Amino acid sequence: EAGVTQFPSHSVIEKGQTVTLRCDPISGHDNLYWYRRVMGKEIKFLLHFVKESKQDESGMPNNRFLAERTGGTYSTLKVQPAELEDSGVYFCASSQRMGGQGSTDTQYFGPGTRLTVL
Amino acid sequence: AQSVTQLGSHVSVSEGALVLLRCNYSSSVPPYLFWYVQYPNQGLQLLLKYTTGATLVKGINGFEAEFKKSETSFHLTKPSAHMSDAAEYFCAVRIKAAGNKLTFGGGTRVLVKP
Repeated sequence: EAGVTQFPSHSVIEKGQTVTLRCDPISGHDNLYWYRRVMGKEIKFLLHFVKESKQDESGMPNNRFLAERTGGTYSTLKVQPAELEDSGVYFCASSQRMGGQGSTDTQYFGPGTRLTVL
Repeated sequence: AQSVTQLGSHVSVSEGALVLLRCNYSSSVPPYLFWYVQYPNQGLQLLLKYTTGATLVKGINGFEAEFKKSETSFHLTKPSAHMSDAAEYFCAVRIKAAGNKLTFGGGTRVLVKP
């Protein structure tokens, strides 16, 4: 079974440009999450999709970030325009069941996309 | 809001020695607790988790962790380090009333010396 995949693995862009990150969850997983690790800091939650709906987007830093999950399969995270502080590693994770609050489902993580904004 | 503290951003152990990684959390309600490991160029992999029941949890690769409510801790141990244990380890919590999001500690990078 294929794991969570993310594309690209690395992206280097200039301040003000736009970047789109893609995540393909494990097939059949309804839940999809985005997290981010800024250098030297902890991994922080960005948002959670259940199928195509945003369940929790409390971690999105500002309106320069737009996440979508059309059709409830893969997801994209667009940063427009990118700023220097957006640099970091963006992780995607997925879990299987719709599950209510406090689900014990394991979240499976992808390898991350390392974004560098110059 | 919940938080997670991992004591020591870097830990160096000798091959064959005990590995002890400390994790303390703050939460007003009992959390679910997780340890993840990240090997170079890979995603985070679940080592073990505590949800309910037995407080000593065994995971993959010989790791185990004990949930101590009175100490708000979930320390990770392995009796004998192997070179392949060199990686970064993350402790995380999930609060039942706060959805499915994980709150992570800062991570501990483990170096294993031959």
